[in-house]
Amino acid sequence: EIVLTQSPATLSLSPGERATLSCRASHSIGSYVAWYQQKPGQAPRLLIYDVSNRATGIPARFSGSGSGTDFTLTISSLEPEDFAVYYCQQRSHWPLTFGGGTKVEIK
Amino acid sequence: EVQLVESGGGLVQPGGSLRLSCAASGFTFNNYAMTWVRQAPGKGLEWVSTFSGGGGSTFYADSVKGRFTISRDNSKDTLYLQMDSLRAEDTAIYYCAKGGNIYGAPFDYWGQGTLVTVSS
Repeated sequence: EIVLTQSPATLSLSPGERATLSCRASHSIGSYVAWYQQKPGQAPRLLIYDVSNRATGIPARFSGSGSGTDFTLTISSLEPEDFAVYYCQQRSHWPLTFGGGTKVEIK
Repeated sequence: EVQLVESGGGLVQPGGSLRLSCAASGFTFNNYAMTWVRQAPGKGLEWVSTFSGGGGSTFYADSVKGRFTISRDNSKDTLYLQMDSLRAEDTAIYYCAKGGNIYGAPFDYWGQGTLVTVSS
């Protein structure tokens, strides 16, 4: 099983600051990584797929990078609506797996 | 507009059964893999099961293998999850998501979820 480790668990930042979220895979997953945002009481929403492709309607302040085992989600300048939990996910091997999540909270 | 609407959740006793449904619209259902993902209270996301599009293959997490059965009715654009021998640890919100095959599409659309509570 591919284990995805996200860090940090919690990121305390102010609006306007840059957020950098990490996702490390236990084995290479190529480019088959996606990032999801989840707000309280809501379903997850796809942000980024295949490392760096933004999903439909996702603002340009969200970007993804990385390859192999190390991946990063960057939010260039946090907006109030960006405070949420973010999950990475791989679809390179069965079983599909998610990281444990990074909570981006208001400092 | 893509829509996924889950139903069938509720309170069930340990050892009991429940059948979840996910009604899809806004896309060509039979062309896509469909997946169930769950989230226990206060916890992260856990992949449960995927039914591939076209080929008819099914895949399960070890935690549910042998107890849960995923199926789909392409004539009704509906995905199902039959859950038997339910345990307390199956308590979660169950989401239906479009996509999920290996090397295939990501989970680009999600339903609102249906809550399953396993308790005596």
